[in-house]
Amino acid sequence: QKEVEQDPGPLSVPEGAIVSLNCTYSNSAFQYFMWYRQYSRKGPELLMYTYSSGNKEDGRFTAQVDKSSKYISLFIRDSQPSDSATYLCAIMGSSNTGKLIFGQGTTLQVKP
Amino acid sequence: KAGVTQTPRYLIKTRGQQVTLSCSPISGHRSVSWYQQTPGQGLQFLFEYFSETQRNKGNFPGRFSGRQFSNSRSEMNVSTLELGDSALYLCASSPRIGDGTSHYEQYFGPGTRLTVT
Repeated sequence: QKEVEQDPGPLSVPEGAIVSLNCTYSNSAFQYFMWYRQYSRKGPELLMYTYSSGNKEDGRFTAQVDKSSKYISLFIRDSQPSDSATYLCAIMGSSNTGKLIFGQGTTLQVKP
Repeated sequence: KAGVTQTPRYLIKTRGQQVTLSCSPISGHRSVSWYQQTPGQGLQFLFEYFSETQRNKGNFPGRFSGRQFSNSRSEMNVSTLELGDSALYLCASSPRIGDGTSHYEQYFGPGTRLTVT
């Protein structure tokens, strides 16, 4: 079983839709949760990070962590064609490792 | 602030050769991590350097090595290249706090795309 599971998609939505991206993880000791966005032929770009259960909002993006279910989500409101990219969840086990464990990434296409 | 830079951006090598990739972190960042990204395995952690010392290592063979210089710039080396080493190699920098605690914000460079023929 992989430490972090993420549905690779692809996910196709119309412009303006609410997008829900999800990951599950196996180790309840994991503490830090990140979402990255990666455009084709680019490096991953850090979108959001959190270390507690609950919601964190930043503009059109909301990150949600449910540690009891070992489930993390990223919601994108009013999706735009420019949001078309691969979205990667990443988890750091403890603050001292420097190691991020990534999901496989979900490819999102937002159609005009 | 300038972002993470990586050189070269593209590289073609032959099996058996060795290669050195370079990474310059964001100014003020002292931690550099390296990752390999392939379509099959996704993003996998190679190693992390902080204060010129390797702090953590992923599950890769000894052909993969790295180092960090006093200005926090880092290089990674792959010896005796294999076809399976073809990948996007990504470097990430982080403002690791001086007491050794790792900061989980990692900022990635554009990567070096290595093709082994």
